[in-house]
Amino acid sequence: GIQVEQSPPDLILQEGANSTLRCNFSDSVNNLQWFHQNPWGQLINLFYIPSGTKQNGRLSATTVATERYSLLYISSSQTTDSGVYFCAAHRSGNTGKLIFGQGTTLQVKP
Amino acid sequence: NAGVTQTPKFQVLKTGQSMTLQCAQDMNHNSMYWYRQDPGMGLRLIYYSASEGTTDKGEVPNGYNVSRLNKREFSLRLESAAPSQTSVYFCASSEQSGGYYGYTFGSGTRLTVV
Repeated sequence: GIQVEQSPPDLILQEGANSTLRCNFSDSVNNLQWFHQNPWGQLINLFYIPSGTKQNGRLSATTVATERYSLLYISSSQTTDSGVYFCAAHRSGNTGKLIFGQGTTLQVKP
Repeated sequence: NAGVTQTPKFQVLKTGQSMTLQCAQDMNHNSMYWYRQDPGMGLRLIYYSASEGTTDKGEVPNGYNVSRLNKREFSLRLESAAPSQTSVYFCASSEQSGGYYGYTFGSGTRLTVV
């Protein structure tokens, strides 16, 4: 099966700083998603991005499918951005079984 | 619109006890999933159900059974709990439109086996 690896594992930022989180995947995928898990444990879908670039407010994501990686950009970070960021993927025809990376734990300090 | 509802939110079991985690979704999604989350290991798929009446194993199925009771409900059963099953369990459902799968997660069940 596919493998999903994320870096860095941990990240500490001062409020207002920018950051880039990386996700590498081992095989061709047609469903790459980014999730945010808030400090209360709730998982929220941020982006569905099998290829190309998308933006949503201060967050944007880029996936280069041919090189098997995706990047999540957080600009002007806020304390509410703290939590764990996961990327997850599955292959075409795999009935939606998402395989998750181990996550990047982000702490934004005021 | 409640989304995905999991019960209970917290549970403590003794080794060898059994229990069933309940999950229900009200979004008319076909596919449902059970994941477990352990520190530093992300979420790992236990079982999934692509549609009503079908179930299949994920990455870590040993020690678990599932039942897709109907389109709305997907339960996870631990027949004889072990300390290694201490974890946070998440249920999810998804809709498919073309190649896109939109996922919704429940709020989780924190299980401790002593």
